Amino acid sequence: GAGVSQSPRYKVAKRGQDVALRCDPISGHVSLFWYQQALGQGPEFLTYFQNEAQLDKSGLPSDRFFAERPEGSVSTLKIQRTQQEDSAVYLCASSLVGVGGGNTGELFFGEGSRLTVL
Amino acid sequence: AQSVSQHNHHVILSEAASLELGCNYSYGGTVNLFWYVQYPGQHLQLLLKYFSGDPLVKGIKGFEAEFIKSKFSFNLRKPSVQWSDTAEYFCAVNANTGNQFYFGTGTSLTVIP
Repeated sequence: GAGVSQSPRYKVAKRGQDVALRCDPISGHVSLFWYQQALGQGPEFLTYFQNEAQLDKSGLPSDRFFAERPEGSVSTLKIQRTQQEDSAVYLCASSLVGVGGGNTGELFFGEGSRLTVL
Repeated sequence: AQSVSQHNHHVILSEAASLELGCNYSYGGTVNLFWYVQYPGQHLQLLLKYFSGDPLVKGIKGFEAEFIKSKFSFNLRKPSVQWSDTAEYFCAVNANTGNQFYFGTGTSLTVIP
């Protein structure tokens, strides 16, 4: 597609439920990022993929958070046993090039998935 | 870890006024710098970026930013704002050797017609 696509746009979960958020990056983009944006805050880094390799997951807040990108395109962020503090907008971004080691590029963001945990 | 500070949380201006939004970062090495904008109901999109070279960079819609290395700053400017500039503005920093982009908390700009 023309841009980064995320689904669902809105998700309401009961505390303790598992959720899965999907990201379809721009075709051919090597890098894929997940960010968490709480109300009134800037995006906070969660994890980074270069193709199918998860090179950095240092931002994942707990072992309840898991991300994958098995074929180097679509990515899924899974949150197990959701808690109220997980309520946020989850942003996916992709970049044409690999990032790091002297390389960088523009991030293209999706519209985000707004998660509300009751 | 790096951090990004945006000093102005909410800015209200009349149309045609000049704009300057502050951004400071903490990192001693080589950085790449960005300003992103989020219009109401839309996704984050790039306004401008600095990788190297001329520290005064120009972006879309008449925006510009100046990288001052000695002050660890990358302030955003526009000489004359329009109502359509109403949006949330985020400064971001990426260490040249790293893969993380660090964002500030954002500045909400409201332009009054």
